[in-house]
Amino acid sequence: GEDVEQSLFLSVREGDSSVINCTYTDSSSTYLYWYKQEPGAGLQLLTYIFSNMDMKQDQRLTVLLNKKDKHLSLRIADTQTGDSAIYFCAETRAISSGSARQLTFGSGTQLTVLP
Amino acid sequence: GAVVSQHPSRVICKSGTSVKIECRSLDFQATTMFWYRQFPKQSLMLMATSNEGSKATYEQGVEKDKFLINHASLTLSTLTVTSAHPEDSSFYICSASYGGRVGQFFGPGTRLTVL
Repeated sequence: GEDVEQSLFLSVREGDSSVINCTYTDSSSTYLYWYKQEPGAGLQLLTYIFSNMDMKQDQRLTVLLNKKDKHLSLRIADTQTGDSAIYFCAETRAISSGSARQLTFGSGTQLTVLP
Repeated sequence: GAVVSQHPSRVICKSGTSVKIECRSLDFQATTMFWYRQFPKQSLMLMATSNEGSKATYEQGVEKDKFLINHASLTLSTLTVTSAHPEDSSFYICSASYGGRVGQFFGPGTRLTVL
């Protein structure tokens, strides 16, 4: 089956860079995503990358994709206390009807930013 | 754009009662809506996928008679937890997608507590 794995916890100091890693198994993934969840809230789409790309940068966020190793990472530059949250990586797979794409989520990484 | 709302945000009910949760796409027409369940400190578990005007597709192990999903319009889907029991207590999150945008857009979630 398709699994998405992440480490559960990451702590960094304010101002440092954070790197959150994710591995997946489904080689047919077309898009890979990073979502952020703050306590008691829904998920916010941070960024996504198409499977034929290696890197995508959006302000403080950099996504790296190594398709050969099925490894995805999210780098947050100049991490702030407001970045403390759970970060989920996710991949899409087509459902049988072909009309929509389901997301398969990792377990989430709790990022704690220390002052 | 791509805002999704959920109502109510929090509900407490007695065992045996039914609870309806609404999910609305506010500024777009959602071709597909998804319902997830999330236990504390865990990832999201997909319960079902619904397309407007057709029956929902439930994931394995999810009782369709227990969790009734209605997707009557392109902007509204409802999840009814019938005869709720304490083990149904959870955080329920919906998401929506449409053809022009990559990814799913999530509602803020509904915290259900069954006494």
